[in-house]
Amino acid sequence: GNSVTQMEGPVTLSEEAFLTINCTYTATGYPSLFWYVQYPGEGLQLLLKATKADDKGSNKGFEATYRKETTSFHLEKGSVQVSDSAVYFCALSERNTGNQFYFGTGTSLTVIP
Amino acid sequence: GAVVSQHPSWVICKSGTSVKIECRSLDFQATTMFWYRQFPKQSLMLMATSNEGSKATYEQGVEKDKFLINHASLTLSTLTVTSAHPEDSSFYICSANLVYEQYFGPGTRLTVT
Repeated sequence: GNSVTQMEGPVTLSEEAFLTINCTYTATGYPSLFWYVQYPGEGLQLLLKATKADDKGSNKGFEATYRKETTSFHLEKGSVQVSDSAVYFCALSERNTGNQFYFGTGTSLTVIP
Repeated sequence: GAVVSQHPSWVICKSGTSVKIECRSLDFQATTMFWYRQFPKQSLMLMATSNEGSKATYEQGVEKDKFLINHASLTLSTLTVTSAHPEDSSFYICSANLVYEQYFGPGTRLTVT
């Protein structure tokens, strides 16, 4: 079946530190991979996505590369800001499951000045 | 971009009453919408898949008689929590499919007293 395993948090970093949040997946077919961000009290916002192997998704300084050989989609940012404090969810979807999404457990990030 | 709205954004109700939550796709038509539930500091749990013009498909363990879903049109799905109890207090999030992506609503915070 399909599943997403995400690095457990919480993660606390100082401003301008390097961020990595690990995400690995299991899928029966060829999934699309996503990172969503959730700010306190709000819904999910799409941060970035990749639809096929070796694609790199990027947005707001965040990047993630779809690695089929390691079934991974790790999220990285070179220099985090206080405003990046949020919960980050890795997710996958497959067309053959009606585009149902499978989410990781979420990783809480706190960036301190 | 595609926008999904939810109404209300928060609601407080008394135990034993019913509450209806609306999910609308504002600028696109969605034949499929999804309802999720999120407990504090946890990931999203898929409750059901709402299909326009047909019955919703519920995930295992979700009481269909308690969580009534109606997908009345291509832009509106509703979730009614019947005879609500304090344990139903949660954050409910809907999403709608457009092509091969899902767009999430901002969520509805339900508190049952």
